[in-house]
Amino acid sequence: DGGITQSPKYLFRKEGQNVTLSCEQNLNHDAMYWYRQDPGQGLRLIYYSQIVNDFQKGDIAEGYSVSREKKESFPLTVTSAQKNPTAFYLCASSILAGGAYYEQYFGPGTRLTVT
Amino acid sequence: GIQVEQSPPDLILQEGANSTLRCNFSDSVNNLQWFHQNPWGQLINLFYIPSGTKQNGRLSATTVATERYSLLYISSSQTTDSGVYFCAVEYETTDSWGKFQFGAGTQVVVTP
Repeated sequence: DGGITQSPKYLFRKEGQNVTLSCEQNLNHDAMYWYRQDPGQGLRLIYYSQIVNDFQKGDIAEGYSVSREKKESFPLTVTSAQKNPTAFYLCASSILAGGAYYEQYFGPGTRLTVT
Repeated sequence: GIQVEQSPPDLILQEGANSTLRCNFSDSVNNLQWFHQNPWGQLINLFYIPSGTKQNGRLSATTVATERYSLLYISSSQTTDSGVYFCAVEYETTDSWGKFQFGAGTQVVVTP
């Protein structure tokens, strides 16, 4: 089955620790994205990557880092510099065709709790 | 950046009722999508609709790109339609492209 997998589903960490969230896709999509969602809020873009070995900051990149060494993988590290890391994190991908991006597809998300 | 506004913020419907959700955006966009977020947080693609009208079962959507809005219609609502509905637009600026901006969502509750 083609799709986007995120692991783990729930993650608990102590304050001051870095944590890496996994995102893998087998859709052969070019672009991948990380979003953050807080309770009752919409989605905010953290980072996105249009091709391998390249990525751009979104609207709330401070305290986060990413890498894109393979087309199918786009891990997100939440660093200790992120002031309010507890949130629901969603990964997405989309295909580039004809100079425009087609539909975004989302993974199931990871709920991160930092205490 | 681009502004995306959804209305209403909350909607309570009796099962069987029809409703219309609206998404306004402040600038020209390349693409527009509607999503339904279920109670477990999963975002389900409803429509990819940069312009025109599409229908899928009891749901339909219309985007009028020249007037910068999109509408999502839910007919004969069912309790399984409950959740949050988001619209998202893909846009480009002078120094970036391929970014998606989401609206704040419409929380829909369908009562039996």
